[in-house]
Amino acid sequence: GAGVSQSPSNKVTEKGKDVELRCDPISGHTALYWYRQSLGQGLEFLIYFQGNSAPDKSGLPSDRFSAERTGGSVSTLTIQRTQQEDSAVYLCASSPNAGAVGYTFGSGTRLTVV
Amino acid sequence: GQSLEQPSEVTAVEGAIVQINCTYQTSGFYGLSWYQQHDGGAPTFLSYNALDGLEETGRFSSFLSRSDSYGYLLLQELQMKDSASYFCAVTRAAGNKLTFGGGTRVLVKP
Repeated sequence: GAGVSQSPSNKVTEKGKDVELRCDPISGHTALYWYRQSLGQGLEFLIYFQGNSAPDKSGLPSDRFSAERTGGSVSTLTIQRTQQEDSAVYLCASSPNAGAVGYTFGSGTRLTVV
Repeated sequence: GQSLEQPSEVTAVEGAIVQINCTYQTSGFYGLSWYQQHDGGAPTFLSYNALDGLEETGRFSSFLSRSDSYGYLLLQELQMKDSASYFCAVTRAAGNKLTFGGGTRVLVKP
């Protein structure tokens, strides 16, 4: 596609429920990144996929968080047993390859856990 | 560990010049990037410095001093539309992910 597409744009869920967030990167981009941004804060790295290499999961805050990337394209970030502190905007970005300068970000998914 | 420090907020009037400083402490350094984010919007890439010196792109310029672990973003001829948050971000190694600072909120007044 022309840009990075994320869905849903907004998600309200009850504490303890599981949620899935989807990211559709720019076609042909081999690198895909997930970040989290709390209100008024910077971007916190979560996970990074590059081609067929093992993902860099070093930013995932707990084992309730997981992500996969199927066929080197679409990625899904799953949060199990959501907690109120998980409320944030989840941003996905892609770049042509791992060494490329400049990520293209999607508009994010605003997750609210009530 | 690693840290990036930038001012939390800057206010200026239209037509003025604003400099946003970023100091970093990282284990490994490859390059410094700058992103702009309007409220409710996606971050957008502005500039990148891997070598010491000034990079100019229109009204925006970015500077890097590797020896001082310091960079800045210079916004010239400020316009109302420049009101946004600006983030510096470090790449620690080739092909590595970005680590972002906390952001600087720039408010442009008439």
